[in-house]
Amino acid sequence: GAGVSQSPRYKVAKRGQDVALRCDPISGHVSLFWYQQALGQGPEFLTYFQNEAQLDKSGLPSDRFFAERPEGSVSTLKIQRTQQEDSAVYLCASSLRGVSEQYFGPGTRLTVT
Amino acid sequence: GDSVTQMEGPVTLSEEAFLTINCTYTATGYPSLFWYVQYPGEGLQLLLKATKADDKGSNKGFEATYRKETTSFHLEKGSVQVSDSAVYFCALSSGNTGKLIFGQGTTLQVKP
Repeated sequence: GAGVSQSPRYKVAKRGQDVALRCDPISGHVSLFWYQQALGQGPEFLTYFQNEAQLDKSGLPSDRFFAERPEGSVSTLKIQRTQQEDSAVYLCASSLRGVSEQYFGPGTRLTVT
Repeated sequence: GDSVTQMEGPVTLSEEAFLTINCTYTATGYPSLFWYVQYPGEGLQLLLKATKADDKGSNKGFEATYRKETTSFHLEKGSVQVSDSAVYFCALSSGNTGKLIFGQGTTLQVKP
């Protein structure tokens, strides 16, 4: 079956631009997570959804970062006024429920110039 | 807060050598522990997991045992292959949401 998909796979943005990153989780998966992976580092948690409810956004680094999952399926991570330090791979993962195995998408590599 | 520490890489081994990648953790409560692998050009994949103390996770010849007394979850394989070359991440699940806390990753390169 289809896994987690993310688009775009690569995004180049000029500093100050807004970007939107999309995640399509595995059908039927209740839980959805966003992680940020800087070069040479492990992924770091950003935010968590259970269906359409955003239950944990403690990892979002600033108020420029915003995530939504309005219908409990597709999720979008939006970064406003991008900065160079936002350059990273953004990973989406979904699971049947929060504590079960997470399946990761291929990631979106964001480069801010 | 919860954290995971992995041995630094890169680790370079010859084919058929024994592999150990050390992982220790700090956590409140009783987290589940995981090893994820990232092959070149691919996404993160779950390699193995253990959900309680003394559990052993195993997959594809890799093993790791959940050691509560030493707060460790070291990854081992008896005989590595070139195809095992990848980046390996140790992780724990934190809290009741299941969010993962990752180590910094260890790059393994296996030479023929």
